[in-house]
Amino acid sequence: AQSVTQLGSHVSVSEGALVLLRCNYSSSVPPYLFWYVQYPNQGLQLLLKYTSAATLVKGINGFEAEFKKSETSFHLTKPSAHMSDAAEYFCAVSEPRTGGGNKLTFGTGTQLKVEL
Amino acid sequence: DAGVIQSPRHEVTEMGQEVTLRCKPISGHDYLFWYRQTMMRGLELLIYFNNNVPIDDSGMPEDRFSAKMPNASFSTLKIQPSEPRDSAVYFCASSLSAGATNYGYTFGSGTRLTVV
Repeated sequence: AQSVTQLGSHVSVSEGALVLLRCNYSSSVPPYLFWYVQYPNQGLQLLLKYTSAATLVKGINGFEAEFKKSETSFHLTKPSAHMSDAAEYFCAVSEPRTGGGNKLTFGTGTQLKVEL
Repeated sequence: DAGVIQSPRHEVTEMGQEVTLRCKPISGHDYLFWYRQTMMRGLELLIYFNNNVPIDDSGMPEDRFSAKMPNASFSTLKIQPSEPRDSAVYFCASSLSAGATNYGYTFGSGTRLTVV
C-alpha cells in the first residue's frame, strides 16, 4: 500500500521567510501526490497536485512542490511566508482501488506557524 | 457551485443517542468519501461510494456506524448508539474520477461531533 510521511508535526517560520514542509512517499507505482491545507474550523482545500506531468508543480497562494523520484519526496515550499499561511498542511498519495477510482491516503499533517 | 455541503456543523449529543450526519456532494461528482479526523488518529477514511454504491467500508470502526447514499446528491453517516470516543470532526468529500486520473477531492467544512 502507498503511504506518505510528513517530517515535523510543527514548523515555525518568521513572516517573509522560506516555508519548507517535507513529505516523503512510499509507492510501488508512479504516484499521484497532493498537498492540502486546512485552516482552523474548515475542511481541507487542495493546494496542488502532481500527476506525472511537470515535476515542479505550482499551486495556489504562491506554494509549489517538486516531485523527486530519486528521493521519493514531494516537499512543499513557498519563498516568503505570510501570516495568512498559518494552517495545517497535509500531504496525500493516491492509489488505484479495486473497482475503480482512487483512494487518498493522508499524512499526519504539519502545523505551520508564522511569527512576526 | 456551492461545494460539498455538510450538516450540521456542530452536534452535541448524549452517549447512547443516535446521530445522523448529512452530506451533499458536488453535482456531477461520482465518488463520495467519509473521513473522520481526530488528534490521535489524524484523518481516517471510513467509507467511500462510487455512483451511490458503497465500494470500501473497511474503515468503518464497528457496527454502530453505517452509511448510505440513496441518490447522487445525498449521503448520510449514522452512529447508533453513539459513544464519547466517537467525538471527532467528520468530513465528507467528493471527487470526479475518470480512469486512473484523480482530480483531487473537494471537502466539506465538516461536522464537529461531541458525545458527552
